[in-house]
Amino acid sequence: GAGVSQSPSNKVTEKGKDVELRCDPISGHTALYWYRQSLGQGLEFLIYFQGNSAPDKSGLPSDRFSAERTGGSVSTLTIQRTQQEDSAVYLCASSLTGGNNEQFFGPGTRLTVL
Amino acid sequence: AQKITQTQPGMFVQEKEAVTLDCTYDTSDQSYGLFWYKQPSSGEMIFLIYQGSYDEQNATEGRYSLNFQKARKSANLVISASQLGDSAMYFCAMRGGFTSGTYKYIFGTGTRLKVLA
Repeated sequence: GAGVSQSPSNKVTEKGKDVELRCDPISGHTALYWYRQSLGQGLEFLIYFQGNSAPDKSGLPSDRFSAERTGGSVSTLTIQRTQQEDSAVYLCASSLTGGNNEQFFGPGTRLTVL
Repeated sequence: AQKITQTQPGMFVQEKEAVTLDCTYDTSDQSYGLFWYKQPSSGEMIFLIYQGSYDEQNATEGRYSLNFQKARKSANLVISASQLGDSAMYFCAMRGGFTSGTYKYIFGTGTRLKVLA
């Protein structure tokens, strides 16, 4: 079946612009995760959704970042007023449920802020 | 605070040999999970193996096994019979307990493994 998909695969934007990154999880997966991977670094956990709910937003780097999930499926990560330090690969993953299940990762969105 | 430490930025192993990638962790949670992921140069993250904190047996998945030593807070990955296709970055990760309505995951900085022919 289809895996996790993310769009766009690449995004180049100018400093100060807003960007929206999209994640389509595997059908039936209730848990969804967003991560950020800066060049040559490990993954930084941003947010976890169980269904449409993400009670803890403390992993988001700043208040310029927001995320939502609708219908228990598609999720969008929005970065307002982008800064150069936001440049990274943004990875989305989904799992059947939260906790112990393996996460299936999407191919990522490479964001470059000029 | 939760922490994952991978002290080997790079490792070499001869093809068909076994290799151990180190991972230590720190957490105050009683229930937690430990994961290993592989990231080839193509960039995708591939799940390898999972160990729950209450699991008494070490996890195994084919050529991968996780050497879980709870008292030492270590969760080393052992790859047996290395293959050229095992060359990749390997990340150790931990899932903390369910608190404040969420799970939190942290990843180590990774170990780059190169398998030599």
